[in-house]
Amino acid sequence: GDSVTQMEGPVTLSEEAFLTINCTYTATGYPSLFWYVQYPGEGLQLLLKATKADDKGSNKGFEATYRKETTSFHLEKGSVQVSDSAVYFCALRGSLTGGGNKLTFGTGTQLKVEL
Amino acid sequence: NAGVTQTPKFRILKIGQSMTLQCTQDMNHNYMYWYRQDPGMGLKLIYYSVGAGITDKGEVPNGYNVSRSTTEDFPLRLELAAPSQTSVYFCASVRANYGYTFGSGTRLTVV
Repeated sequence: GDSVTQMEGPVTLSEEAFLTINCTYTATGYPSLFWYVQYPGEGLQLLLKATKADDKGSNKGFEATYRKETTSFHLEKGSVQVSDSAVYFCALRGSLTGGGNKLTFGTGTQLKVEL
Repeated sequence: NAGVTQTPKFRILKIGQSMTLQCTQDMNHNYMYWYRQDPGMGLKLIYYSVGAGITDKGEVPNGYNVSRSTTEDFPLRLELAAPSQTSVYFCASVRANYGYTFGSGTRLTVV
């Protein structure tokens, strides 16, 4: 079945540092890929998405490129801020019909940004 | 536009008690989902629904039941609470080809 593997946290960075959170996936066909962010005490919010190979999703300075050859969707940001501290989830939605639009999530990566 | 509303936000149950977690969305989304989130485990799908009157099991359905009598509501029922059901529960809805909209969650503790 579908699965998502992302790097374990916590990841601790200084403000203005470069961020990479690795995400790889296993799926049949051509899934859609997502990054969600969860701030403390809140639900998950969609950060960015990509629906086909070589697409780049971007939002709020975050980027991720759908790499089918390496089955990866790594999240990057050039300069993190304290306000980016949160848990980040990589997820995929399978391309097969009849799947009910279900998302499969990675285990989440906690990011802590310090001054 | 309220999005997805979950109630209650917090609840403590004793072993063997029952309760219903409420979920309502006002976006006219056909698809709705219940996930549980355990520390270090990501989100696991409990049940989902593709429309009113239609529900199906996810990865971890044991100990739970759902119903979908209207497009707006998708309650999750725990009949005999067990400590293993201590978790944070999230309801979500989606329109096809868009990202999910999540509720703010219900933190449940079974003691």
